Amino acid sequence: GAGVSQTPSNKVTEKGKYVELRCDPISGHTALYWYRQSLGQGPEFLIYFQGTGAADDSGLPNDRFFAVRPEGSVSTLKIQRTERGDSAVYLCASSFSRGETQYFGPGTRLLVL
Amino acid sequence: QKEVEQDPGPLSVPEGAIVSLNCTYSNSAFQYFMWYRQYSRKGPELLMYTYSSGNKEDGRFTAQVDKSSKYISLFIRDSQPSDSATYLCAMRESGGGADGLTFGKGTHLIIQP
Repeated sequence: GAGVSQTPSNKVTEKGKYVELRCDPISGHTALYWYRQSLGQGPEFLIYFQGTGAADDSGLPNDRFFAVRPEGSVSTLKIQRTERGDSAVYLCASSFSRGETQYFGPGTRLLVL
Repeated sequence: QKEVEQDPGPLSVPEGAIVSLNCTYSNSAFQYFMWYRQYSRKGPELLMYTYSSGNKEDGRFTAQVDKSSKYISLFIRDSQPSDSATYLCAMRESGGGADGLTFGKGTHLIIQP
């Protein structure tokens, strides 16, 4: 079946703008995760959804970052007032349920000018 | 000191060689250990998944976990040019612990034809 998909593949924005990044998990997967991967680093955990609720948002760096998953499937990561330091690859992963294997999407490359 | 340490490389070896990759960690609550492979501009792909201490073999890949030393390894036998990628170790706590994976920086592996 189809894997995790993310759109857009690339996003270029200006400092101070608002951006939305979308993740379509594998069908039937109830758990969804967002990670951020900076150049030369491993992915860093941002937030975990179980169904529609954010069960763990301890990795969000500040209140400019917010994520939703209103129907328990597609998720959107929202970044307000973007800063140059937000430039990174934003990865989404999903798993059948909590604690199961996480399957990653290809990521969205965000560049803030 | 980061929770997970991994030498970023690059590690360059000739085709057919045995490759040894490793990570050390400091959090004794980690119980699940994974190795992901990441090709350039792609998302991480799960290679091996191990619970607690011990060995696991899958084809040319062998994963080892030594919890007493807080040290994990991935061995690749008969390495091929197609194995050239970045290898990320990842770990997770058990039960009610944190849900996100904690990754190392990744080791950039180059297999020379």
